[in-house]
Amino acid sequence: GAGVSQSPRYKVTKRGQDVALRCDPISGHVSLYWYRQALGQGPEFLTYFNYEAQQDKSGLPNDRFSAERPEGSISTLTIQRTEQRDSAMYRCASSPGTANSPLHFGNGTRLTVT
Amino acid sequence: AQSVTQLDSQVPVFEEAPVELRCNYSSSVSVYLFWYVQYPNQGLQLLLKYLSGSTLVKGINGFEAEFNKSQTSFHLRKPSVHISDTAEYFCAVSVLSSASKIIFGSGTRLSIRP
Repeated sequence: GAGVSQSPRYKVTKRGQDVALRCDPISGHVSLYWYRQALGQGPEFLTYFNYEAQQDKSGLPNDRFSAERPEGSISTLTIQRTEQRDSAMYRCASSPGTANSPLHFGNGTRLTVT
Repeated sequence: AQSVTQLDSQVPVFEEAPVELRCNYSSSVSVYLFWYVQYPNQGLQLLLKYLSGSTLVKGINGFEAEFNKSQTSFHLRKPSVHISDTAEYFCAVSVLSSASKIIFGSGTRLSIRP
């Protein structure tokens, strides 16, 4: 079975543009997470879903960031009016959904805002 | 809110020497604890986890960690490291009441010298 797939792998965009980052979780995984990882730092929690329901979005930095998972599978993280400080690695992870399940991470999308 | 502190940003050791990577957490409630490893240009993968029971937890690749509730620590150890252990190691915590939200430390880069 395939692992967590994220696309694009690299995204370079100009300041002010909107970007959409895609995550395709492991088939059957209930929970899906978005993290942001700056260089030399640990992953910073953004939001997570159980099925299609967004359970916690407390980590989203501001209202330019949003995420959806409309059919409980693929998820999209959207950043509107990007700023240079949004540049980072954006990582998606999925898990079977039980309380102590490990996270399975994708390889991430490297976003660079110029 | 819970938090994780990894005091050492970098740990250089010689091959076949023992290593300990330190992790301390802060939480007013019971927690689950994890160590994840990130090899160069890859996503994070689970090394080991503590959920309950024995405070000594064994993981993959010969790593183990000990949960110490009184010291709120979960240090990672390996008696003899190999070049292939070169990676970044992240300690993570989730509280039992919100076990799906996993918070990561800032990471420790382990570099092995031949």
